[in-house]
Amino acid sequence: KQEVTQIPAALSVPEGENLVLNCSFTDSAIYNLQWFRQDPGKGLTSLLLIQSSQREQTSGRLNASLDKSSGRSTLYIAASQPGDSATYLCAVRPGETSGSRLTFGEGTQLTVNP
Amino acid sequence: DADVTQTPRNRITKTGKRIMLECSQTKGHDRMYWYRQDPGLGLRLIYYSFDVKDINKGEISDGYSVSRQAQAKFSLSLESAIPNQTALYFCATKSGLITGTDTQYFGPGTRLTVL
Repeated sequence: KQEVTQIPAALSVPEGENLVLNCSFTDSAIYNLQWFRQDPGKGLTSLLLIQSSQREQTSGRLNASLDKSSGRSTLYIAASQPGDSATYLCAVRPGETSGSRLTFGEGTQLTVNP
Repeated sequence: DADVTQTPRNRITKTGKRIMLECSQTKGHDRMYWYRQDPGLGLRLIYYSFDVKDINKGEISDGYSVSRQAQAKFSLSLESAIPNQTALYFCATKSGLITGTDTQYFGPGTRLTVL
């Protein structure tokens, strides 16, 4: 059974810092991996999706990497801002025939202080 | 207007009551999902549906049932609510097209408290 773990559970940083969030998964046979952002009172928003054949994806100040063989992904946030404060979740899709079923990590709660 | 809506947004109920959570989407997606989120845990899949006639159990379906009334509507029912079903419930949708994005689009969530 696929298990997804995120470290740290919570992170507080001053504005402007670069930071890294970590995600690990136990079964390397994945179809893709996604990073989501969750704001209180709102649903999840997809930030980046990395296919199993890719090594990284970038969007603005966000960069996500994937090392499938070691079962790890990182989300790098450059020049953090208070508006980045949210919970970040990673999720893996096990396989192409999995019906798009996702396995989620527990999330990292990020606070960026002005 | 939001693409994926959930009603109610908050609900407090008592043990043994029947509860229905509703999800509607305007994205035209054929696939819909129900998840629950508990503090300190990731989202866990309850049920998912590929179309009106195709409904599948997720990893934690016991105590829940679903109904896909139309392509745009997917309801989750708790036949007899119990306190450990207190959680945040999310509905999500996804296009089943091969050319579609693999991203799931989430509703804002329903916070359910069972006393």
